[in-house]
Amino acid sequence: DAKTTQPTSMDCAEGRAANLPCNHSTISGNEYVYWYRQIHSQGPQYIIHGLKNNETNEMASLIITEDRKSSTLILPHATLRDTAVYYCIVRADDKLIFGTGTRLQVFP
Amino acid sequence: GAGVSQSPRYKVAKRGQDVALRCDPISGHVSLFWYQQALGQGPEFLTYFQNEAQLDKSGLPSDRFFAERPEGSVSTLKIQRTQQEDSAVYLCASSFNRDKQYFGPGTRLTVT
Repeated sequence: DAKTTQPTSMDCAEGRAANLPCNHSTISGNEYVYWYRQIHSQGPQYIIHGLKNNETNEMASLIITEDRKSSTLILPHATLRDTAVYYCIVRADDKLIFGTGTRLQVFP
Repeated sequence: GAGVSQSPRYKVAKRGQDVALRCDPISGHVSLFWYQQALGQGPEFLTYFQNEAQLDKSGLPSDRFFAERPEGSVSTLKIQRTQQEDSAVYLCASSFNRDKQYFGPGTRLTVT
């Protein structure tokens, strides 16, 4: 599976959009981009995934660049409950290969 | 609805003891995964079942680690002769298709 690079930490004001970047420059054509998050003391939670097209669901939007070498997860109106570690994962087979993720702190 | 459950939630074992960690996946989920998460790190893949078949055990760190899912539902992760480096949170996840994995709350194992 391709390796991903994410910033170690980010801050975001409550109510503002949180934009979390991820680089995956060695991604292969059949590999999907997945995002999970892990709130303290809980198991990871699926957020969204995509292959080439931008995706949106009730939790977030995923923007993938045309060359697929990077992506951005957007939480449109961050709340305090969105404080978590966010993992960007490039996935080809069934297992997930987590990195160390981005620790997002949402402040009042 | 009911999610993935794991038991016990916390386990303290003396070095050298054997432990068994249980995972109850979401009903009907074909795939089941075990991950190990050390403090401050992301989860690391251990093993994967499709129904009762263990299709991938490449992440098991040693032959002291053994997982089974005999009837294709509940799974048990067994660690023999525990060592201090086995201290971690053990996460179980299940999925119906390849899209999403649903994780349980984990079992925190502390080896003293």
